Amino acid sequence: RKEVEQDPGPFNVPEGATVAFNCTYSNSASQSFFWYRQDCRKEPKLLMSVYSSGNEDGRFTAQLNRASQYISLLIRDSKLSDSATYLCVVNPRGWGKLQFGAGTQVVVTP
Amino acid sequence: DTAVSQTPKYLVTQMGNDKSIKCEQNLGHDTMYWYKQDSKKFLKIMFSYNNKELIINETVPNRFSPKSPDKAHLNLHINSLELGDSAVYFCASSPTRISTDTQYFGPGTRLTVL
Repeated sequence: RKEVEQDPGPFNVPEGATVAFNCTYSNSASQSFFWYRQDCRKEPKLLMSVYSSGNEDGRFTAQLNRASQYISLLIRDSKLSDSATYLCVVNPRGWGKLQFGAGTQVVVTP
Repeated sequence: DTAVSQTPKYLVTQMGNDKSIKCEQNLGHDTMYWYKQDSKKFLKIMFSYNNKELIINETVPNRFSPKSPDKAHLNLHINSLELGDSAVYFCASSPTRISTDTQYFGPGTRLTVL
């Protein structure tokens, strides 16, 4: 079983719509959680950290469910510029040894 | 100003050759990393240095040798290149080694071994 699993997609989303997807992780002792965004052939960039109580950053909402060991990302009012691969990232220990999922591709269409 | 830079951006070479990739960060961070992203898009950590000290050394063939001359630089030397080494190699840095720090990635080096 992979340590971090994501639905690869693609999720085809009309502009203005809402899209949500999850990621599951295997290590119940994981301490830190993030969503990174990676555009085609570019480097990953932090989208947002995921906090236990859930958090929002503009149109993006992240949730953590420790009991079921998954995190989620919801994008509201999708823009064309939201088209990217969203990487679920988990840190199982107190060090910077991040574990990446393979990513969920989102394609926002006009 | 580029925060994390890597050279070269593209590297095409023959099997058996030795090559190096360089990484520099101008963010004043203490910790730097090397990741490999293969054709299946998984990003996997290879090495991490904190203030020039090796702190993460994953199961990587010993043909790969990182070197950190100072905390702003982390280079990766690869001996006897193999076809399976073809991938994109990303350098990253973070302010410290703690888990909640954001990691900032360089633009990547696309290595193709023929």
